[in-house]
Amino acid sequence: DGGITQSPKYLFRKEGQNVTLSCEQNLNHDAMYWYRQDPGQGLRLIYYSQIVNDFQKGDIAEGYSVSREKKESFPLTVTSAQKNPTAFYLCASSITSGRNEQFFGPGTRLTVL
Amino acid sequence: GDSVTQMEGPVTLSEEAFLTINCTYTATGYPSLFWYVQYPGEGLQLLLKATKADDKGSNKGFEATYRKETTSFHLEKGSVQVSDSAVYFCALRGGGSGNTGKLIFGQGTTLQVKP
Repeated sequence: DGGITQSPKYLFRKEGQNVTLSCEQNLNHDAMYWYRQDPGQGLRLIYYSQIVNDFQKGDIAEGYSVSREKKESFPLTVTSAQKNPTAFYLCASSITSGRNEQFFGPGTRLTVL
Repeated sequence: GDSVTQMEGPVTLSEEAFLTINCTYTATGYPSLFWYVQYPGEGLQLLLKATKADDKGSNKGFEATYRKETTSFHLEKGSVQVSDSAVYFCALRGGGSGNTGKLIFGQGTTLQVKP
């Protein structure tokens, strides 16, 4: 089955630690996105990538980093510089960046202890 | 900048009631509009979409019409079921060349349907 997988589903981190969230897609999509969701709020864009080896900052990129070395993978690292990292993180992809709908993964819930 | 405003929730309805969730937007150019649904603990699923003025998106009994004159994309369903209980997000994607595909989301509206 084609789709987007995110792992782990739940992640706990101590303050001061970096942590990497996985996002993999087998849909052969060029574009991939990372969103953050906080309770009672919509999703906000962290980073996006329109093609392999290229990515751009979204609206709330501070304290996060990404890489796009392979078409199917777009990992997100939450660094210790992110002041309030506890949130639900959603990865999405689309065929291309401009005109196609985005498909979402199941999400990773990150909790900082 | 572009923005989306949804009616505040939660919305509580009895089964078989009529549903309306209001969504209005601010955008330059000709955005595409979407409704996504999120069930507890899960990611978002695309419910329906409309890409130009007067288009009607529909799926699973839900409908929404792209109204450019009122900058609205209200979600409706004639008869809700308990299984429709979820959070609904209205979103837009800017139009025009150079579009990055970025989605702008409303804050979400929680729907609870009681038997």
